[in-house]
Amino acid sequence: GEDVEQSLFLSVREGDSSVINCTYTDSSSTYLYWYKQEPGAGLQLLTYIFSNMDMKQDQRLTVLLNKKDKHLSLRIADTQTGDSAIYFCAESRAGGFKTIFGAGTRLFVKA
Amino acid sequence: DAGVIQSPRHEVTEMGQEVTLRCKPISGHDYLFWYRQTMMRGLELLIYFNNNVPIDDSGMPEDRFSAKMPNASFSTLKIQPSEPRDSAVYFCASRPTGGGTYEQYFGPGTRLTVT
Repeated sequence: GEDVEQSLFLSVREGDSSVINCTYTDSSSTYLYWYKQEPGAGLQLLTYIFSNMDMKQDQRLTVLLNKKDKHLSLRIADTQTGDSAIYFCAESRAGGFKTIFGAGTRLFVKA
Repeated sequence: DAGVIQSPRHEVTEMGQEVTLRCKPISGHDYLFWYRQTMMRGLELLIYFNNNVPIDDSGMPEDRFSAKMPNASFSTLKIQPSEPRDSAVYFCASRPTGGGTYEQYFGPGTRLTVT
């Protein structure tokens, strides 16, 4: 079946690194995503990784993929108060007809 | 581009009333998705369309919910009659067939409150 699981809450201090974890069940997943939802807004794609990659870095963001364990993580370096949001892990297969979203991790950044 | 447009942004209605939510996808996008977000159930896919045709409506909770896409630039989600448990934020999203990453573009959502 298709399922994406992630922890619901994470609290970090400003300037620390945040690591948000996710597991998925569909071994045929081709694309894995992190979406960000700010208060009162819709989801917006933050970053993505193809399933044939192990890591992707984009400025303060690092995505790690362990395909064997079906584990995806998002690391935010030097976390800022503006990073406070809900982060959704998601996956889709080739063709991408629909995307399966996790429940979202609410990140709190304390000043 | 204006992005995905949803209306109204907020809707408050009484139990038993009909509610219609509207969505205008990004021009050129031929996939359209309706989601519901609640604290209890997270983000749920209700239905999605491809080229105006409903492809998968298995997420529609019950017969009180219906969705249409009469043309490429407009879709509606209707709840009739509405119940308090329908209170949620409803999102519309669209994406093109190509694009490589299958990124979905979300609207700002409609916050529905049924009293």
